[in-house]
Amino acid sequence: DIQLTQSPSFLSASVGDRVTVTCRASQGIRSYLGWYQQKPGKAPKLLIFAASTLQSGVPSRFSGSGSGTEFTLTISSLQPEDLATYYCQQVNSYPITFGQGTRLEIK
Amino acid sequence: EVQVVESGGGLVQPGGSLRLSCAASGFTFSSYAMHWVRQGPGKGLEYVSAISNDGGTTYYANSVKGRFIISRDNSKNMVYLQMGSLRVEDMAVYYCARVGWDSGNHYDYWGQGTQVTVSS
Repeated sequence: DIQLTQSPSFLSASVGDRVTVTCRASQGIRSYLGWYQQKPGKAPKLLIFAASTLQSGVPSRFSGSGSGTEFTLTISSLQPEDLATYYCQQVNSYPITFGQGTRLEIK
Repeated sequence: EVQVVESGGGLVQPGGSLRLSCAASGFTFSSYAMHWVRQGPGKGLEYVSAISNDGGTTYYANSVKGRFIISRDNSKNMVYLQMGSLRVEDMAVYYCARVGWDSGNHYDYWGQGTQVTVSS
């Protein structure tokens, strides 16, 4: 199985900050990586697919990059509504796997 | 409007069975693969099972293989997850999700989830 390791697991930042979350795969997954945002008590929401493509309707302050084994999710200017847990997911091969999550707190 | 709605969750004893249902609407259901994902209390997301658009191909996480069965009825726009030999560690919110072929085969629509509690 492909393991995805996110860092950090917890992040505290201020409104307006640039925030970066990293996801490392245990083996190459080309660009078959997506990012989800999950707010408390809600279902996850797809933000980024194919490593760097913004899902329709997602604000442009979110961006993704990377390929192979290392990927990043960046929020260019943190907003209060970005309080959430963020997960990466690989769909390169079964079983599909998720990272353990990064909980983002607004200072 | 695309909608995915899960049902069938509840309280079950260890070793028991439960069948979850997922009703889809607002899109051509027979064109999309569907997956089940779960989230244990205070935990992250875990892929559970997948079924192809025509139901001919299924996949399972190792943790549920041999105990869970995924199926679909394209005439009713429904996906099912038959869960057997339930364990305490199966307790979670179970989500049904659509696999978007124009979203890199990631989950572009999710249901609200249905709670499964396994306890004696």
